[in-house]
Formats: sequence, C-alpha cells, structure tokens
Amino acid sequence: QKEVEQNSGPLSVPEGAIASLNCTYSDRVSQSFFWYRQYSGKSPELIMSIYSNGDKEDGRFTAQLNKASQYVSLLIRDSQPSDSATYLCALQGGSGNTPLVFGKGTRLSVIA
Amino acid sequence: EAQVTQNPRYLITVTGKKLTVTCSQNMNHEYMSWYRQDPGLGLRQIYYSMNVEVTDKGDVPEGYKVSRKEKRNFPLILESPSPNQTSLYFCASWDRATYGYTFGSGTRLTVV
Repeated sequence: QKEVEQNSGPLSVPEGAIASLNCTYSDRVSQSFFWYRQYSGKSPELIMSIYSNGDKEDGRFTAQLNKASQYVSLLIRDSQPSDSATYLCALQGGSGNTPLVFGKGTRLSVIA
Repeated sequence: EAQVTQNPRYLITVTGKKLTVTCSQNMNHEYMSWYRQDPGLGLRQIYYSMNVEVTDKGDVPEGYKVSRKEKRNFPLILESPSPNQTSLYFCASWDRATYGYTFGSGTRLTVV
C-alpha cells in the first residue's frame, strides 16, 4: 500500500516569501509525482509533475524530487495571496494507467 | 474545450433512495476514476476504470457501484445511500498528454 505523507498545516507565509511544501512517500517503486492545488470547494488542478531526481521549474513553482530519500517538495517563490490553497501531493507507480495516491494536503495561507 | 462534466453539483437526498451521479469526459481518455473527499481524510479513491467494461475497486468501494458502457461516461451509483456517504465527490480522467488528472467540478452530496 502506497502512502503519501504531508504536513496538514496551515503553513503561513508573508506575501513575497518562499513557501516550501514537503511530501514523503513509502513506496520505493513510485515513478511519477504530482502537485495539485485545490481552492476551497473547488476541484484539484495540476500544477506540476516530476519524474526524475532533481529540480523542475515552471514560473514561480519549483518541484524537487529525491527518490533515495523518498521525498518530493514544492517551492513557491514570491508567494501571493492568490496562492492560498491546499496543495496535494500525489504519486503513481508504474505505467500511466495505475491509480494516483494522494496525500491529505497542506493548507497554505499567504498573508498580505 | 477539454473537460470532465459532473452532475449534479449539489444533491440532498434521504437515506435509502437510490441515486446516480453522472460523469462525462470529451477527451477520449481511457482511464477514469471516482474520489470522495472528506475533511482530514483527503481524496480517497472509490472506483476506477481502465477502459470500457473494465472497472476495479479503489480504497473505499463499499456502498458504491459504477459502470463503464462507453468510454466517455462513468456514472457513480449509490443503491441505498447512508449518511456516512455525505461527502464531496470528484470524477477524474487521466490525461496522457499532461500526465495528470483532469477533475470534474465536484458533487456535494448530503444524505439525511
């Protein structure tokens, strides 16, 4: 059984700061990792995916993956109040047709 | 526009009255899934389908049924709803291009 652990938060950061969200997982064979953002009452939306060790940058977002240590993180630079949401970490093992396993999410609050 | 359409968005029903939540996608995706989301428990998979006529249980299938008679539709059926099925439900389909799920807008179900 794959497990994904996230700190539930809330994580509070001031506007303009870097928000760091972390996720650890138990299954060493997991291949694909995803970060989703979910605003209250809305559906999750994909922010980033990462498959290889190292960093992957997309605008203000950077995903970091370390398979040896079994963690994946998301950095949000220049945080904005509009980034306030719950961030879900998800992983998938094997091919693209296996179910995603989601963490419970970390609630981020960016204070203006 | 590529999308996953769920209906209804909100539903209040009584214990034991059969209901169906519909889900339709226009992206010709093979893989579709149903999740429920509850406070403190995160997203939990109910059922998933890898293709037409191929369905399998997720982590919390009890009390639910699904069918996949055609690729675009994946309805969730509650034969005899109970109050513990009060939850926020999401349908999702797998996008090979983005390696991520596209979620529907959600259905907030209340069983009294």
